[in-house]
Amino acid sequence: DIQMTQSPSSLSASIGDRVTITCRASQSISIYLNWYQQKPGKAPNLLIYAASNLQSGVPSRFSGSGSGTDFTLTISSLQPEDFATYYCQESYSVPLEYTFGQGTKLEIK
Amino acid sequence: EVQLVESGGGLVQPGGSLRLSCAASGFTFSSYEMNWVRQAPGKGLEWISYISNSGNSIHYADSVKGRFFISRDNAKNSLSLQMNSLRAEDTAVYYCARDALRIPRSHDSWGQGTLVIVSS
Repeated sequence: DIQMTQSPSSLSASIGDRVTITCRASQSISIYLNWYQQKPGKAPNLLIYAASNLQSGVPSRFSGSGSGTDFTLTISSLQPEDFATYYCQESYSVPLEYTFGQGTKLEIK
Repeated sequence: EVQLVESGGGLVQPGGSLRLSCAASGFTFSSYEMNWVRQAPGKGLEWISYISNSGNSIHYADSVKGRFFISRDNAKNSLSLQMNSLRAEDTAVYYCARDALRIPRSHDSWGQGTLVIVSS
């Protein structure tokens, strides 16, 4: 089974900051990596698919990079609505398992 | 507008059964692969089941294999999850999620979720 590990688990930042969240896979997953944002009491929302592709409607301040085992989600300039929990997810496993990382909670400093 | 609306959640005793439904609208349901994802209170996301657009391919997480059963009715634009032998650790919000029409896969639309509480 593929394990997904995010770091940090929580993060405090200020409006306008540049923020980076890391996700590491226990084995190579090529670019089969997605990022989701979840706000309290709401369903997750897809931000980035295939490691670096911005989902339609997602602001361009969000970007993703990486391949193999190491991936990053970057928010270039934090906005008030970006304070949320972020999850990475692999879609490489055969048979399908869609493992999520444990999440990174982004809080206001 | 794509809409996914879950229903069927509630309070059930350990060992009991429950059937969740997800009503889809705003897109050609029969073309899309679908999933169930759950989230225990205060915890992270856990994918639990996948079904192909035709229903011919199904996968489960080990945590629910043999107890939960996914199905779909393309004529009724409906996805279901039959949950049997429920345990306290199955307490969670259950989301249905659509897979985008591309590879690598990703969940591009989600319902609002339905809460299942397993308790005596």
